[in-house]
Formats: sequence, C-alpha cells, structure tokens
Amino acid sequence: SQQGEEDPQALSIQEGENATMNCSYKTSINNLQWYRQNSGRGLVHLILIRSNEREKHSGRLRVTLDTSKKSSSLLITASRAADTASYFCATEGNNRLAFGKGNQVVVIP
Amino acid sequence: NAGVMQNPRHLVRRRGQEARLRCSPMKGHSHVYWYRQLPEEGLKFMVYLQKENIIDESGMPKERFSAEFPKEGPSILRIQQVVRGDSAAYFCASSPPGLGSVGYTFGSGTRLTVV
Repeated sequence: SQQGEEDPQALSIQEGENATMNCSYKTSINNLQWYRQNSGRGLVHLILIRSNEREKHSGRLRVTLDTSKKSSSLLITASRAADTASYFCATEGNNRLAFGKGNQVVVIP
Repeated sequence: NAGVMQNPRHLVRRRGQEARLRCSPMKGHSHVYWYRQLPEEGLKFMVYLQKENIIDESGMPKERFSAEFPKEGPSILRIQQVVRGDSAAYFCASSPPGLGSVGYTFGSGTRLTVV
C-alpha cells in the first residue's frame, strides 16, 4: 500500500529562517498532501499537490513533487513561532490516506 | 457549520471496559473515516463508512473493534474489553461524496487512555 514517509528528523530553527521537510513514498499516487498537527490537536490540511504537478505554492508554503524519485518536499519560508508543530505528508489510495510518521518543527522566537 | 465534532475529547477506561467514541460529520458529508494515532506516529487508517454501510474496514483489528454510521446520529467507534495498547488518539474525518481525501475535514480527536 502507499506510504508517505518523512525524513525522521526534528527541526529546531530560529524565527525567520526557512524550514524544509522531505517525504518519500513507494507506489503510484493520485495526489500527495501535507498536514500540520499542533500538539494535542487534530490535523489541519495545508496543501495538496497532484501527481501531474511539480510545484505548488500557498502563502509561505512551497511544495515540490518528484514522481520519478517518489519524493516530495515542504518548505516553510520566514518561519514564525506559530509554525511550531508536527508536519505529516500523506498519499491517497483506495479511499484512504497513508500518513508518514511526521516531522516535528520547533520555531524559536 | 461546526465542522467535524468528536466526543469525548479525552476518555479514560480501565482494562476490560468498553470505549465508545463518537463522530458527527460536517453537514452534507456522508462519508466518514476513522484513523488511529499512536504516540510519535502518523495516523493509520482503520475504517471507511457511509450511511448504514461499512465500505472498508481492512485497517481495523478483527477483534474487539467495531464501527457504525447509522442513518441518524453520529458514527460510533466501539472498542470492547480495552487493553493498554489501545491507548491512542482516534481521529475521524468526513468528506462529501465523490471527493475522497481531497474533501477531508478532520475532527480534533478523542484521546483514549487505558489504565
């Protein structure tokens, strides 16, 4: 089954810096999505990129998708303390999402 | 529109008791999905339901776990004879027909602690 898997590293950055996270998956996808989860809260959908897209922007977020390498990256520019959260990528297949383990990002004010 | 409502937010059960988790989808959403999140893990699919039908329960343990989405009322995830390993956060998502995960809205989850 499809499986999003992030690089299992925690990021700790200063406010204003950029944060980059990577995700790899194993099978063909229709789309890949990124979610944010604040501690103890639910998931918030950030951005979706379709398999025929290579790059997508939404505000301070930039997502890339390389289907030949089966990988995606999420870039958060000009980070803020409020960006402190866990970030998950997820791939869709068979009416479900397959999530990776997440990247924890801490933005230090 | 209140979004996807899950209750309770926190639930504590002793080993061997039953846990009932409720999920009210967004208005107009007839598809419900349950996911489980263990500590330090991503979400794992459990079950996909439409009104009065279980579409896909391949992610749900065969024993002690059941789910329903009746014609009226919320979707219920039921865990019988809970064990410590059931301690997790359980999330519900709903979507309108035809959109699949593109139309997902997640609830805030129920955190189950088995003591």
